[in-house]
Amino acid sequence: DSGVTQTPKHLITATGQRVTLRCSPRSGDLSVYWYQQSLDQGLQFLIQYYNGEERAKGNILERFSAQQFPDLHSELNLSSLELGDSALYFCASSVEEARQREQFFGPGTRLTVL
Amino acid sequence: AQSVAQPEDQVNVAEGNPLTVKCTYSVSGNPYLFWYVQYPNRGLQFLLKYITGDNLVKGSYGFEAEFNKSQTSFHLKKPSALVSDSALYFCAVRGSSASKIIFGSGTRLSIRP
Repeated sequence: DSGVTQTPKHLITATGQRVTLRCSPRSGDLSVYWYQQSLDQGLQFLIQYYNGEERAKGNILERFSAQQFPDLHSELNLSSLELGDSALYFCASSVEEARQREQFFGPGTRLTVL
Repeated sequence: AQSVAQPEDQVNVAEGNPLTVKCTYSVSGNPYLFWYVQYPNRGLQFLLKYITGDNLVKGSYGFEAEFNKSQTSFHLKKPSALVSDSALYFCAVRGSSASKIIFGSGTRLSIRP
């Protein structure tokens, strides 16, 4: 158990809908990362927050947004969902934003868009 | 631009034999290199990392990796494979001046009894 929690574990929804994925980092970790894992795209970095502020952006679509709250939990919002958004979404956390720090991953949320 | 390549989609090894999972990278500046393992229906777990210093890095579960600057490689190794090592392995790189980490496409390691 990494100490990172993600809810829900599974999510099934329809095209055009909007969903929110939630992540709680390990106790004491200030940095949160979001990733998308799909069969054809592999593991793609989406976005990073550090202590409430956005720090880095990867291949995140404009339909997607995220935020980190004062209690350090983070939410990833996915809107106008398309079939291709079906994937595993992982959250990870690290102590700092330092580039040499390893990340601790949550168990993921499996999103299925029908 | 940063990039990382795992040239093998799958590696098959007999239990007890040594294993190698290959990774090559390209970054500007000094590289920070990582290996993660993913078991079925689980998140990624950190195995080991290279930041600086000794080129041979030891990690969890008996794994080690060798940093080779001239070949820009960071291959994962284990002297004696176990069936329980069967999983998906990801190499990742982050340049010392880069804002984001890049993961390889993953290598599925299969250890047969």
